[in-house]
Amino acid sequence: GESVGLHLPTLSVQEGDNSIINCAYSNSASDYFIWYKQESGKGPQFIIDIRSNMDKRQGQRVTVLLNKTVKHLSLQIAATQPGDSAVYFCAENGRAAGNKLTFGGGTRVLVKP
Amino acid sequence: NAGVMQNPRHLVRRRGQEARLRCSPMKGHSHVYWYRQLPEEGLKFMVYLQKENIIDESGMPKERFSAEFPKEGPSILRIQQVVRGDSAAYFCASSPRAGLYEQYFGPGTRLTVT
Repeated sequence: GESVGLHLPTLSVQEGDNSIINCAYSNSASDYFIWYKQESGKGPQFIIDIRSNMDKRQGQRVTVLLNKTVKHLSLQIAATQPGDSAVYFCAENGRAAGNKLTFGGGTRVLVKP
Repeated sequence: NAGVMQNPRHLVRRRGQEARLRCSPMKGHSHVYWYRQLPEEGLKFMVYLQKENIIDESGMPKERFSAEFPKEGPSILRIQQVVRGDSAAYFCASSPRAGLYEQYFGPGTRLTVT
């Protein structure tokens, strides 16, 4: 079936460096993508979203890139901080899927001081 | 502006008992979604509801699971005759309108079946 998956299960990054988290999706009908951050014992926290008519969107310290040709999504975190340590999920939605989000398996980011 | 509220945060049930999980969406949100998460995995969609209506329950197991979102009060996810495989974190999310918009998640209910 359609799925959203991640290349790297764990990413270790030095504090202050930039982080890049990747996500591949297989549903070419996907219209909308969201990145969530989940800390231990908490619910997913919305970070940033992007629609399929865009290829880049920036937020505070975060940038999401969308490459529809190869069905690839990435999240860039600038100047990674200890508080960025968490599991990051990409999720996708599409008009054919209704309102339900399909989540990838997650990437754990560990920030080293 | 309170976020999505869920209770209880932790729930322990013996096999065969019933579990009731509650979700109050963000103020002004009339669309509620339930997801289940197993340890070290992503969230899996279960059901999408609007007030008094189930819109999409394609992710719900056919037996023992039910959901409602009454005109007044929180949304309820009900699991009857729980089994050990039901142990998971159950998350509720809400959005202000239908369509491709962000969903805001609650803190989850961690169900443990003993």
